[in-house]
Amino acid sequence: KAGVTQTPRYLIKTRGQQVTLSCSPISGHRSVSWYQQTPGQGLQFLFEYFSETQRNKGNFPGRFSGRQFSNSRSEMNVSTLELGDSALYLCASSMQTGEYEQYFGPGTRLTVT
Amino acid sequence: AQSVTQPDIHITVSEGASLELRCNYSYGATPYLFWYVQSPGQGLQLLLKYFSGDTLVQGIKGFEAEFKRSQSSFNLRKPSVHWSDAAEYFCAVNTNAGKSTFGDGTTLTVKP
Repeated sequence: KAGVTQTPRYLIKTRGQQVTLSCSPISGHRSVSWYQQTPGQGLQFLFEYFSETQRNKGNFPGRFSGRQFSNSRSEMNVSTLELGDSALYLCASSMQTGEYEQYFGPGTRLTVT
Repeated sequence: AQSVTQPDIHITVSEGASLELRCNYSYGATPYLFWYVQSPGQGLQLLLKYFSGDTLVQGIKGFEAEFKRSQSSFNLRKPSVHWSDAAEYFCAVNTNAGKSTFGDGTTLTVKP
């Protein structure tokens, strides 16, 4: 079974631009969560989607948004990029809400210049 | 709100030596507990998990962890470390399905 895939793997953007990251969960998994990883703040939860609905949300500004499609694939969008948004963005999938075991993708490394 | 503390930022052990990485959590009840490993530039790989039952759990790559409710701890152990174990290790708790809370991580260096 294929693991969680994330595209692109690396991205360089300029301040003020917006970016969209994509995540395809493991086949059969319906819950997708996003995390931001930085050296200063560690791993922080962004949001979780299940059945195309946002189920949980972390403490991030409204510039961070996401969505989930009917095939469980998910995208996250960051608008008006700031230098501090440079991070590794990790996607994790699990079978369903209530299933606590998460499987992570390789991440997208976003650099904002 | 739950929290996770990994007291050791960096640990160095010699190849073949035993390893113990500490993890303490704060939560009113028993959460679901996990250990993940991350190699540079990579995602997180699940090593093992504790949901309930036997407090000593076995994972992949020869790792094990012991849940101690009285100490709110979930320490990771390995009897004999291999050079390939050098990585960053994260302890995590999950009390809300798709939302995990992670410790700050422990970087393991293995000396030849």
